[in-house]
Amino acid sequence: DVKVTQSSRYLVKRTGEKVFLECVQDMDHENMFWYRQDPGLGLRLIYFSYDVKMKEKGDIPEGYSVSREKKERFSLILESASTNQTSMYLCASSFGGGNTEAFFGQGTRLTVV
Amino acid sequence: QKEVEQNSGPLSVPEGAIASLNCTYSDRGSQSFFWYRQYSGKSPELIMFIYSNGDKEDGRFTAQLNKASQYVSLLIRDSQPSDSATYLCAVEDTGRRALTFGSGTRLQVQP
Repeated sequence: DVKVTQSSRYLVKRTGEKVFLECVQDMDHENMFWYRQDPGLGLRLIYFSYDVKMKEKGDIPEGYSVSREKKERFSLILESASTNQTSMYLCASSFGGGNTEAFFGQGTRLTVV
Repeated sequence: QKEVEQNSGPLSVPEGAIASLNCTYSDRGSQSFFWYRQYSGKSPELIMFIYSNGDKEDGRFTAQLNKASQYVSLLIRDSQPSDSATYLCAVEDTGRRALTFGSGTRLQVQP
């Protein structure tokens, strides 16, 4: 079974803190993604990566950055957390090329206070 | 920005009935279409994928694709209370290897 593991299930952080969300996949997938999910807005793509050290902006990259130093690990960084970044964050991975499904981690519910 | 549209629901059907979930998309070049199911508090899990026009059946689930109309649907036959969840339509973005998701349709199956 494909496994995508996110480091935390729940996080509470203070405004202005630097926040790291970690994601690891064990299926040697080339592609990795970070989405956030908010009620009524569905899943929105923040950043994605096709390969180690490569990253591409998604639809809502402002306030976020990412790091992919190893193929299996993709980190999302909130440089200075704000209350409007309170959300469910979902990491996903997929094989390279097109026409492939994305496998999701269990999600991290982040609350910024 | 490419869009995927779904009726948010809730769609309420009695147990044993057919549930019909619909999705339209804006990217004419899209080739891959996916239906995910998401239970409350859980992450999305894949139910079906479809690449070609027509119908694709898997057990109680049938995905239907009409590329000319830019329309994808999911039929759930003999609906069960355990099918109560949010169903997300996802379309592969032709410009990048990422999925664009609709906001989901909440399905309620009444016992």
